[in-house]
Amino acid sequence: RKEVEQDPGPFNVPEGATVAFNCTYSNSASQSFFWYRQDCRKEPKLLMSVYSSGNEDGRFTAQLNRASQYISLLIRDSKLSDSATYLCVVPLQENSGNTPLVFGKGTRLSVIA
Amino acid sequence: DAGVIQSPRHEVTEMGQEVTLRCKPISGHNSLFWYRQTMMRGLELLIYFNNNVPIDDSGMPEDRFSAKMPNASFSTLKIQPSEPRDSAVYFCASSLKGGGTEAFFGQGTRLTVV
Repeated sequence: RKEVEQDPGPFNVPEGATVAFNCTYSNSASQSFFWYRQDCRKEPKLLMSVYSSGNEDGRFTAQLNRASQYISLLIRDSKLSDSATYLCVVPLQENSGNTPLVFGKGTRLSVIA
Repeated sequence: DAGVIQSPRHEVTEMGQEVTLRCKPISGHNSLFWYRQTMMRGLELLIYFNNNVPIDDSGMPEDRFSAKMPNASFSTLKIQPSEPRDSAVYFCASSLKGGGTEAFFGQGTRLTVV
């Protein structure tokens, strides 16, 4: 089983729609989770961290389900500028001070006018 | 802050040639990562350094790939000899503390081997 799995999409949604992405991870010991955003031909950038209780940042909500080992990202009121690839990220090893991040292949979102 | 700086931004080379990619991490960051991104395989970790020391190079595809970090402000990834299947975008990233904290990426080097 791959460490981080995502539906590649693409998700094509109209402006104003609500869209949700899920991601599953294999390491049950993982404690830290992230969503990164990558625009076309650009580098990945941190969108938000995922806390155990879930967290919200404006139109974006991230949630964690440890029992099922999945992380979700919800985008409300989609904007054209939300069009990008969203990468689910988990550290390779937990409880290790310096460990790299493992990236899912990403889910591509296209918001259409 | 200048962020992570990579050079060159684009590289086109002929099969069999040596390619050297360069990275300057953010000052004060003690972890540095080299990733490769392709459409088929996504972002793959090649190697990472903590405090200039290589920790895990199991992601390096084969002996043609090598990476060094002679000091805290500079790292190189070398491919010798290069092959067409090495064509990809190579990203360097740095972080203050590898896992559990944000990794900052450079703009990447787009490598094409013909």
